[in-house]
Amino acid sequence: GQQVQQSPASLVLQEGENAELQCNFSTSLNSMQWFYQRPGGSLVSLFYNPSGTKHSGRLTSTTVIKERRSSLHISSSQTTDSGTYLCALERANTNKVVFGTGTRLQVLP
Amino acid sequence: NAGVIQTPRHKVTGKGQEATLWCEPISGHSAVFWYRQTIVQGLEFLTYFRNQAPIDDSGMPKERFSAQMPNQSHSTLKIQSTQPQDSAVYLCASSLDGQNERLFFGHGTKLSVL
Repeated sequence: GQQVQQSPASLVLQEGENAELQCNFSTSLNSMQWFYQRPGGSLVSLFYNPSGTKHSGRLTSTTVIKERRSSLHISSSQTTDSGTYLCALERANTNKVVFGTGTRLQVLP
Repeated sequence: NAGVIQTPRHKVTGKGQEATLWCEPISGHSAVFWYRQTIVQGLEFLTYFRNQAPIDDSGMPKERFSAQMPNQSHSTLKIQSTQPQDSAVYLCASSLDGQNERLFFGHGTKLSVL
């Protein structure tokens, strides 16, 4: 079954609204990463966050290992935030990094 | 630091032809990963090298696909007798040592099999 589940699958916001993207996983992990991808673009690393909370500008990532979840919070969204957000976990004991199916975000002006 | 470099950016092949995709990891990174991305399947893990040695190729189709890393500065993914279902974006990533490290991706090679 799918080891990494992301929700919602898609999200439409008005510029200025906040967003909370969720990543739930069913396997033990070594690390958790969040990536951003524009249509046709490459994956850009946003956070490497195996546990706890990290901040970067308007973005906040929180990983709670014992609850098997990680979240990405986007505050005061901008149209340039539009794209797909992917979480990826490195499975324990394997070093294999598996990806969720992504959340497609569209921020309207 | 030029990042992970993948060539070519786009490749079009006819059904049955061979395709070779190239990846140059970030200098000093010892781990190289290959992924395939399609709209239907999303990002699929293919294979992974550390210090040029194949560590995990569990995602590689058993036939027609092979990957090598002959030296620390490049890796290749070869697809023999390409089929239309092989059409995808093939992504290469590298990390410092492959364990508990951030992944850095190249721009990918978009393979179109006609």
